[in-house]
Amino acid sequence: EAGVAQSPRYKIIEKRQSVAFWCNPISGHATLYWYQQILGQGPKLLIQFQNNGVVDDSQLPKDRFSAERLKGVDSTLKIQPAKLEDSAVYLCASSFRQGTYEQYFGPGTRLTVT
Amino acid sequence: AQSVTQPDIHITVSEGASLELRCNYSYGATPYLFWYVQSPGQGLQLLLKYFSGDTLVQGIKGFEAEFKRSQSSFNLRKPSVHWSDAAEYFCAVGPYTGTASKLTFGTGTRLQVTL
Repeated sequence: EAGVAQSPRYKIIEKRQSVAFWCNPISGHATLYWYQQILGQGPKLLIQFQNNGVVDDSQLPKDRFSAERLKGVDSTLKIQPAKLEDSAVYLCASSFRQGTYEQYFGPGTRLTVT
Repeated sequence: AQSVTQPDIHITVSEGASLELRCNYSYGATPYLFWYVQSPGQGLQLLLKYFSGDTLVQGIKGFEAEFKRSQSSFNLRKPSVHWSDAAEYFCAVGPYTGTASKLTFGTGTRLQVTL
């Protein structure tokens, strides 16, 4: 069984530029999560999708962050414009259904904003 | 609001020695508790989880954890550490509901294993 795929693995941008991350969850997993992990901290949930609908985006900085999961499979997380404090690892995870904690994580995208 | 405290930022143990990583949680009701491991450049992998029942839970890679409600703790243990256990370990808590699955993570404990 293939795991959660993410790309790119690394990205370096200047502040005020835009960036997008892609995630392909495990086949058949209806629930998809995006987490932000700042160095020295645990992951923080940014947004949770159930199929293509948003379940929880309470911690997503909506003035600069956006995410979509149009067909209920792949997802894209975008930052526009980026700030220095957005430097972090962005983790995507998926689970079979909402309400289950069996979350499977991808390797993450390490973003550096200079 | 739920929260998790991992008081040890960094721990060093010798290979073959026993290990205990501490985790304290704050949650107003019955929590779901988890331990994840993150190796360099890797995503998080679930080691074990506690939902209910036996307070001593077994996980993968020889790890176990004990839930102590009176102490609001969920410490992770391993009787004999291997060099490959060097990684960062995260404790997490989630609400005991049927629909929500939002995890709150601690800040992690980095484990170093000396040979």
